[in-house]
Amino acid sequence: KNQVEQSPQSLIILEGKNCTLQCNYTVSPFSNLRWYKQDTGRGPVSLTIMTFSENTKSNGRYTATLDADTKQSSLHITASQLSDSASYICVVSANQAGTALIFGKGTTLSVSS
Amino acid sequence: GAGVSQSPRYKVAKRGQDVALRCDPISGHVSLFWYQQALGQGPEFLTYFQNEAQLDKSGLPSDRFFAERPEGSVSTLKIQRTQQEDSAVYLCASRPRGVGEQYFGPGTRLTVT
Repeated sequence: KNQVEQSPQSLIILEGKNCTLQCNYTVSPFSNLRWYKQDTGRGPVSLTIMTFSENTKSNGRYTATLDADTKQSSLHITASQLSDSASYICVVSANQAGTALIFGKGTTLSVSS
Repeated sequence: GAGVSQSPRYKVAKRGQDVALRCDPISGHVSLFWYQQALGQGPEFLTYFQNEAQLDKSGLPSDRFFAERPEGSVSTLKIQRTQQEDSAVYLCASRPRGVGEQYFGPGTRLTVT
């Protein structure tokens, strides 16, 4: 069964600190892996998309890694800000058309001052 | 350009009522997706349109759910005889062409009492 598992379920950190969110997947076939940020009451917004051959991709203070052999990905947030408080969702696409997206349940990040 | 918009943002329905949820995609976007996001869960795929053609409706949970996009732009998700388990956020996303990033709307939160 295609699944995307994320950990931790929730996380609280102090402003300015770094954190890493984890994603493990069992999705076949694999097309790409995406990380989304979802603010409360808003739709998800894409942070990164990585294909099979990409190991790392950055978007500002966000850096995603992908190990296609172990089927693991991580999202590292550097120098966290209060505005980083959101749910971070890992999504694996099982086809290039994007019609077979498998979503994780998300990690809820709270950044406090 | 505005992003993807959805209306209403919040809907409360009594069990058994019919509801209609509207999605206005980004102008010119060919593909349109509907997702259901239960509380504390990641979104789950419902259906996909390319222009006015509904190419995949495999995620619709029952025949009470119906979606249309008659002119290839605005889409409506209709739920007949709503039940409590239909309570969720319904997200719409659009994409400019056959492949690429999906842009999500803010969602409609449906509560069935």
